[in-house]
Amino acid sequence: EAGVTQFPSHSVIEKGQTVTLRCDPISGHDNLYWYRRVMGKEIKFLLHFVKESKQDESGMPNNRFLAERTGGTYSTLKVQPAELEDSGVYFCASSQTGTGMNIQYFGAGTRLSVL
Amino acid sequence: QKEVEQDPGPLSVPEGAIVSLNCTYSNSAFQYFMWYRQYSRKGPELLMYTYSSGNKEDGRFTAQVDKSSKYISLFIRDSQPSDSATYLCAMLLSNSGYALNFGKGTSLLVTP
Repeated sequence: EAGVTQFPSHSVIEKGQTVTLRCDPISGHDNLYWYRRVMGKEIKFLLHFVKESKQDESGMPNNRFLAERTGGTYSTLKVQPAELEDSGVYFCASSQTGTGMNIQYFGAGTRLSVL
Repeated sequence: QKEVEQDPGPLSVPEGAIVSLNCTYSNSAFQYFMWYRQYSRKGPELLMYTYSSGNKEDGRFTAQVDKSSKYISLFIRDSQPSDSATYLCAMLLSNSGYALNFGKGTSLLVTP
């Protein structure tokens, strides 16, 4: 079974440009999460989708970030326009909805460098 | 004050040593405590989770939670070079919660 897949693995852009990150969750997982790790800091929650609906986007830094999950499958995270402080590793995770422990499975991340 | 504190290390131990990794936290409402392992250029992988206080053992790994002290630990017995990775503690307010609160992670190197 394929795990959480993120694309691209690494992106280098200039300040002011637009970048779109993609996440394909594990098949059948209704929950999809975005997290970010800025250099020297801990991994921070950005937002949570249940199917195609945003359940919680309280961690989104500002309105330059837009996340979508069309059809409840893959998700994209767009940064427009990118700023230097947006550099970091963006992780996507997914989990099943159920009665058991909410285990989140992570992708390898997209390393974003804004120059 | 950060909600979850974790010493980033690095921690270097010889093969076969017992490793102790720790986190403290400030939010007494946390109920689920997890340890993730992250290899270089990979995503975090769940190692173990514990609900509330107590111990949990899985092979060479033991997780401990002391809610009265707001302190959690991960012990690795008979450490192996393949255990070299970054270990992240993470916490959830409840099982219906979803926003993991991570520590910074501790970098561990086990030398042959």
